[in-house]
Amino acid sequence: DQQVKQNSPSLSVQEGRISILNCDYTNSMFDYFLWYKKYPAEGPTFLISISSIKDKNEDGRFTVFLNKSAKHLSLHIVPSQPGDSAVYFCAAGTYKYIFGTGTRLKVLA
Amino acid sequence: DVKVTQSSRYLVKRTGEKVFLECVQDMDHENMFWYRQDPGLGLRLIYFSYDVKMKEKGDIPEGYSVSREKKERFSLILESASTNQTSMYLCASSSWDRKSPNEKLFFGSGTQLSVL
Repeated sequence: DQQVKQNSPSLSVQEGRISILNCDYTNSMFDYFLWYKKYPAEGPTFLISISSIKDKNEDGRFTVFLNKSAKHLSLHIVPSQPGDSAVYFCAAGTYKYIFGTGTRLKVLA
Repeated sequence: DVKVTQSSRYLVKRTGEKVFLECVQDMDHENMFWYRQDPGLGLRLIYFSYDVKMKEKGDIPEGYSVSREKKERFSLILESASTNQTSMYLCASSSWDRKSPNEKLFFGSGTQLSVL
């Protein structure tokens, strides 16, 4: 029973365009939602987060949207750059986090 | 700068061996975690600790144990390694206070363990 799902295993986007990564969750009690980026053979690095009391958080090229009624969040990257190519994980929880299975983003030059 | 250090980047062990994975953080964080990452399965929580000598099972604790004798150090122990424990192991830490929660997890670089 997967509480956090990323249904798209991969995504390809042209450089300069928008990348949209999606994540669905089942537990309405989660307080925080996080996005991490991971390169091969490295640990995940924190990108952006959002509290359950908000519906949008922006940091530079990265924006996270939270739709609590749909139990859905998305990460928008605008404009996408080749260096953004990595695996992206969403996570949900409070002090303990459950991660999705990841989406591999490829930004084409 | 925040640092979570895992003692080994790569380990090769034999089936049945006892394996220790070490993790040290320098941020005085209360919480520490062990995850494993497998293709198609994402990151799965094995164990976490919210204080010295305190631990809780995560989603997949079978075959693992942990030790937290000091605040900065969290060890993952494979009592008798098996081939299905071949994986990337990731340690993380966080500071979480109910009044001012810091939701970020800080990860180490990972240990790629191969059990032959």
